[in-house]
Amino acid sequence: AQKVTQAQTEISVVEKEDVTLDCVYETRDTTYYLFWYKQPPSGELVFLIRRNSFDEQNEISGRYSWNFQKSTSSFNFTITASQVVDSAVYFCALTGSEKLVFGKGTKLTVNP
Amino acid sequence: DAGVTQSPTHLIKTRGQQVTLRCSPISGHKSVSWYQQVLGQGPQFIFQYYEKEERGRGNFPDRFSARQFPNYSSELNVNALLLGDSALYLCASSLGTSQGTYGYTFGSGTRLTVV
Repeated sequence: AQKVTQAQTEISVVEKEDVTLDCVYETRDTTYYLFWYKQPPSGELVFLIRRNSFDEQNEISGRYSWNFQKSTSSFNFTITASQVVDSAVYFCALTGSEKLVFGKGTKLTVNP
Repeated sequence: DAGVTQSPTHLIKTRGQQVTLRCSPISGHKSVSWYQQVLGQGPQFIFQYYEKEERGRGNFPDRFSARQFPNYSSELNVNALLLGDSALYLCASSLGTSQGTYGYTFGSGTRLTVV
């Protein structure tokens, strides 16, 4: 069975701080995909990144970066110089086939 | 281009009633999936439909059913509502069935409250 664990339930930081959201996953599939989504209070899940299991290169997109480590089954997400607009719930998700398995999410609050 | 459209946005129902939620996928997308998100939890997979056929079903009771129409829009039906069915119901559309290959775009959801 597939499982995603986001151990941090809530994180609160002050604007301009760096923050890392942790994600640990379990799967028996050799080919799988990992995702991060942002969910603002409006409810829509906003896609941030997709990674396949064969690509372990870290990725940077502006203030966002992702660290994929297959050896530790982790796919962590770092926001550099956080802003108030980054406040949201962030979900890590995993799929091997047709369905996404989500973690419980980490609520990030960035205070001015 | 319009994104994934869900209706209604909010709904209040009484226990025992039935509800129908609707989803219109992005133009050209043939796959629709439904997810239930209970407050404080991550979304849970309910159904996937592709070309009007059910391609996957999550661990939900038979009170939950869905269908996809020739124009690829979809309806999710829930019968005999329970208080525990109160949740945000999310619809996601994709070009194909593999979430990894094609990625999914989510709608804003329907917030269902059962009283």
